[in-house]
Amino acid sequence: SQTIHQWPATLVQPVGSPLSLECTVEGTSNPNLYWYRQAAGRGLQLLFYSVGIGQISSEVPQNLSASRPQDRQFILSSKKLLLSDSGFYLCAWILRDRGTRSGYTFGSGTRLTVV
Amino acid sequence: AQTVTQSQPEMSVQEAETVTLSCTYDTSENNYYLFWYKQPPSRQMILVIRQEAYKQQNATENRFSVNFQKAAKSFSLKISDSQLGDTAMYFCAFMSYSGGSNYKLTFGKGTLLTVNP
Repeated sequence: SQTIHQWPATLVQPVGSPLSLECTVEGTSNPNLYWYRQAAGRGLQLLFYSVGIGQISSEVPQNLSASRPQDRQFILSSKKLLLSDSGFYLCAWILRDRGTRSGYTFGSGTRLTVV
Repeated sequence: AQTVTQSQPEMSVQEAETVTLSCTYDTSENNYYLFWYKQPPSRQMILVIRQEAYKQQNATENRFSVNFQKAAKSFSLKISDSQLGDTAMYFCAFMSYSGGSNYKLTFGKGTLLTVNP
């Protein structure tokens, strides 16, 4: 079966510290991968997406970056966190063509608090 | 660019009653899907129902159904026989699947639904 793992679940980091959030998918290959941020319990904003290894597209200029070192691994990073980076981060995947009508499968999310 | 608008930030309904959540969208695409996702207090995103734009028939999943009006670009969600477990944030979402779309999901800002006992 296909599963998605996202960790850590909760993170409290000081301003100026680095960040690394990881997302891995199991049971499928060559998925599209996405990072979303949800601020203040409201709408979801697309941050990055990837259609293949090493291929990253950024939707919003910001203090964050993403990488896809392996087919089923997607990493969200920052060199120096800002207070405004606080939020709930969600990873998601979808299979092109065969799976698009099913929508995304989401990870369980990471709650990031920058203090 | 596509936009999705949910005009009701919060709604409440009594248990066992019916409630309708509104959603409108704007797009110039012809090939797309529409979704409703539910986010309970656990914050896990759960797919509630989906609609393919080329299908005229409204989608139904048990107590959940949609009213899809393609010309009006409207996609409302009806929840019948509301249950306490339906309390959640509900998001309307749009996905184009035209060539090169990258299948990005665009979300509305959400409607917080509270089911009262």
